Amino acid sequence: SQQGEEDPQALSIQEGENATMNCSYKTSINNLQWYRQNSGRGLVHLILIRSNEREKHSGRLRVTLDTSKKSSSLLITASRAADTASYFCATDDRPKAAGNKLTFGGGTRVLVKP
Amino acid sequence: EAGVAQSPRYKIIEKRQSVAFWCNPISGHATLYWYQQILGQGPKLLIQFQNNGVVDDSQLPKDRFSAERLKGVDSTLKIQPAKLEDSAVYLCASSFGPAGNTIYFGEGSWLTVV
Repeated sequence: SQQGEEDPQALSIQEGENATMNCSYKTSINNLQWYRQNSGRGLVHLILIRSNEREKHSGRLRVTLDTSKKSSSLLITASRAADTASYFCATDDRPKAAGNKLTFGGGTRVLVKP
Repeated sequence: EAGVAQSPRYKIIEKRQSVAFWCNPISGHATLYWYQQILGQGPKLLIQFQNNGVVDDSQLPKDRFSAERLKGVDSTLKIQPAKLEDSAVYLCASSFGPAGNTIYFGEGSWLTVV
């Protein structure tokens, strides 16, 4: 069963524009992670945000987490053609003693047009 | 630091045949995961190991899938007999510890069952 649900499912923007995608989940989490997947490749870890954090930055990426709304957003600023990929949120919702387990959403497919 | 290694990268088999995938996690990572990703969907956890013990195999179709991690390092995932619906990418991932850690993915093994 899916825990995280990304919105939108697909996004097409021009190079230089910002891209925002959202993730909603259903149960309490330990942390939430965002991954990027280029076509035909494995998943690349972008950012991990813990349940007691509200915002994190990494380069052109900004992630927010609102545990009261059970939602997160990923913002890519000044997008580049190389940002074209699928982006997945994944929630770690297993009790800590049992070890982390990521449950992935269906992803947002981002196309950045040059 | 070397990443998660997987082989083979691509495999085409006929239905009812068997296939095995191999994974070597990042050195020192005690936790190893196998995920299945069907085209257009997010990855789904099949099995999670902590050292050489199974933490979670609740979504592993045990009538046809098996996995082992005998020495707590490398792991193999086997499918026998394969079905058409097993066509997917099989992603191996690893993390340092059981809780709250970043999970790193390999490039995946692409399986086509014809």
